[in-house]
Amino acid sequence: EAQVTQNPRYLITVTGKKLTVTCSQNMNHEYMSWYRQDPGLGLRQIYYSMNVEVTDKGDVPEGYKVSRKEKRNFPLILESPSPNQTSLYFCASKQYGGNTGELFFGEGSRLTVL
Amino acid sequence: GESVGLHLPTLSVQEGDNSIINCAYSNSASDYFIWYKQESGKGPQFIIDIRSNMDKRQGQRVTVLLNKTVKHLSLQIAATQPGDSAVYFCAERWKAGTALIFGKGTTLSVSS
Repeated sequence: EAQVTQNPRYLITVTGKKLTVTCSQNMNHEYMSWYRQDPGLGLRQIYYSMNVEVTDKGDVPEGYKVSRKEKRNFPLILESPSPNQTSLYFCASKQYGGNTGELFFGEGSRLTVL
Repeated sequence: GESVGLHLPTLSVQEGDNSIINCAYSNSASDYFIWYKQESGKGPQFIIDIRSNMDKRQGQRVTVLLNKTVKHLSLQIAATQPGDSAVYFCAERWKAGTALIFGKGTTLSVSS
């Protein structure tokens, strides 16, 4: 089954404790992206990657890092989480180029930073 | 930057009614638009898309209309069902190869 898998789905942590949210897709997509979703603000892009070893900032990259060492994986790293990073995070992937822009989303990771 | 917005944050309809969810976009150069559905506790799911060279596209029970003159996008759901209750997002793409920009979403509630 084609899917985007995120882990963990739920996490409560404390300020300053480094954490990583993993994302893996099995569709051989070149493009992967991370979004955060907050009430009243919709989906905002954090980082994206066009292909292996190619990453770029989205609209709200501050406080986040990413890496793309393999095509299927795109982890989101919070080196020193702060309460304003409490949010619902989505990883997404798609074929780069082509005629459609359809993004396939994971199920989301709800992060609470105390 | 420019962003996609929605006219109404919530919409309530009766089962069997037709629903119309609206979206205004501000970038007249956007070439591609998508509607997503997000059910509670899940990630957004693709519903239907439309290119800027079209003004209408139909799917199963859904129709997307694009009016480039007034930069307006709408999603019509025929015979709305309780399972259609969700948050609906429109998204635009400024040009091929760029990221999708999402609107803030409209919550559709369908009562029996």
